[in-house]
Amino acid sequence: AAGVIQSPRHLIKEKRETATLKCYPIPRHDTVYWYQQGPGQDPQFLISFYEKMQSDKGSIPDRFSAQQFSDYHSELNMSSLELGDSALYFCASSLKGNNQPQHFGDGTRLSIL
Amino acid sequence: AQKITQTQPGMFVQEKEAVTLDCTYDTSDQSYGLFWYKQPSSGEMIFLIYQGSYDEQNATEGRYSLNFQKARKSANLVISASQLGDSAMYFCAISSYGNNRLAFGKGNQVVVIP
Repeated sequence: AAGVIQSPRHLIKEKRETATLKCYPIPRHDTVYWYQQGPGQDPQFLISFYEKMQSDKGSIPDRFSAQQFSDYHSELNMSSLELGDSALYFCASSLKGNNQPQHFGDGTRLSIL
Repeated sequence: AQKITQTQPGMFVQEKEAVTLDCTYDTSDQSYGLFWYKQPSSGEMIFLIYQGSYDEQNATEGRYSLNFQKARKSANLVISASQLGDSAMYFCAISSYGNNRLAFGKGNQVVVIP
């Protein structure tokens, strides 16, 4: 079965640079979520989209922005990168509705030098 | 706010034995979902099992079962017949009614030994 596709798998950037992470949800899933997992930490919710509209916002820095496109893929844009942004970034997707299981991609491992 | 507590230290489990991972939660929502995810050392996050707050039957999915005790606010994961490939970090998570964001616990590390 098709899963959530994230790209790139690994990304190395320097401080103050920008990065764009991409996510392609499971077909027919209309809700996309972004999570950040620091080293040795549990994932933290950043932001979510339903039908191309932002549906919920968590602990996402102002330097980050995200959107969902007409084909339901989503992009997380990160600017003025800091050392503390080094983390594993997950995208997840689900069907519409309360308490629907979220299926995660393999993540993008972002390293800031 | 939702909160998940997973306090067990790292666990070593003999192959083919069962293991129970503890998870307690706190929420003010009447309707919520409880989830377990597996994260191997390679990093991916794999969905294992889901329990809805109004489900009367405990969820089962292959070798995974969820021991849901609503009054005690616990949702323990039972893995039967452990395999070497079960070695991983296991996260319990709860979803919020209306927006579905997941709040995760700190995880339980499991190592299966032959």
